[in-house]
Amino acid sequence: DTGVSQNPRHKITKRGQNVTFRCDPISEHNRLYWYRQTLGQGPEFLTYFQNEAQLEKSRLLSDRFSAERPKGSFSTLEIQRTEQGDSAMYLCASTLVQGAYEQYFGPGTRLTVT
Amino acid sequence: DQQVKQNSPSLSVQEGRISILNCDYTNSMFDYFLWYKKYPAEGPTFLISISSIKDKNEDGRFTVFLNKSAKHLSLHIVPSQPGDSAVYFCAAFTGKLIFGQGTTLQVKP
Repeated sequence: DTGVSQNPRHKITKRGQNVTFRCDPISEHNRLYWYRQTLGQGPEFLTYFQNEAQLEKSRLLSDRFSAERPKGSFSTLEIQRTEQGDSAMYLCASTLVQGAYEQYFGPGTRLTVT
Repeated sequence: DQQVKQNSPSLSVQEGRISILNCDYTNSMFDYFLWYKKYPAEGPTFLISISSIKDKNEDGRFTVFLNKSAKHLSLHIVPSQPGDSAVYFCAAFTGKLIFGQGTTLQVKP
């Protein structure tokens, strides 16, 4: 078990470009969460999946954001037409349904929009 | 609206002494409360949790206290060690985690 992995670790993009991040959870975990963290703040919930079903999306998640977990394993988070305000650390976490409060986080993808 | 608040951005203690980190919340419906620890360039790591029906949970040097009437929880670290220096996040769980802003703990040798 290698833990939760995220790729890329860093992404610099120009405003208006699309970006996609990937998260590979711990293999037996059926829940996968996405959070966003900005400087000086705690992580903020974006969305989560149980297996391949997206069960909840935050109102923070504008229509430029879309997430998928096509086979209930890895997940992708895409941001279209990036804005400078999208610059943040994007964190992925996985867990089991039972005890879902104990989440295992990846190292995050740091996005910088110039 | 900030449902989980950590009002102290930083805390500095001497090695061997007690560290007390505090957290306040507004929603009485939270099921669990947790503390996560974060080192630079890493994701948060689960530290300890407490169910909303309990008032204390202990795990080695770490103890979490929950005061439901005051909507307040605290994390006690005894004795504090330099390796405990990190950012500590309080969080509440209600299907998802709601985090506080974090407190940076520095333990001086």
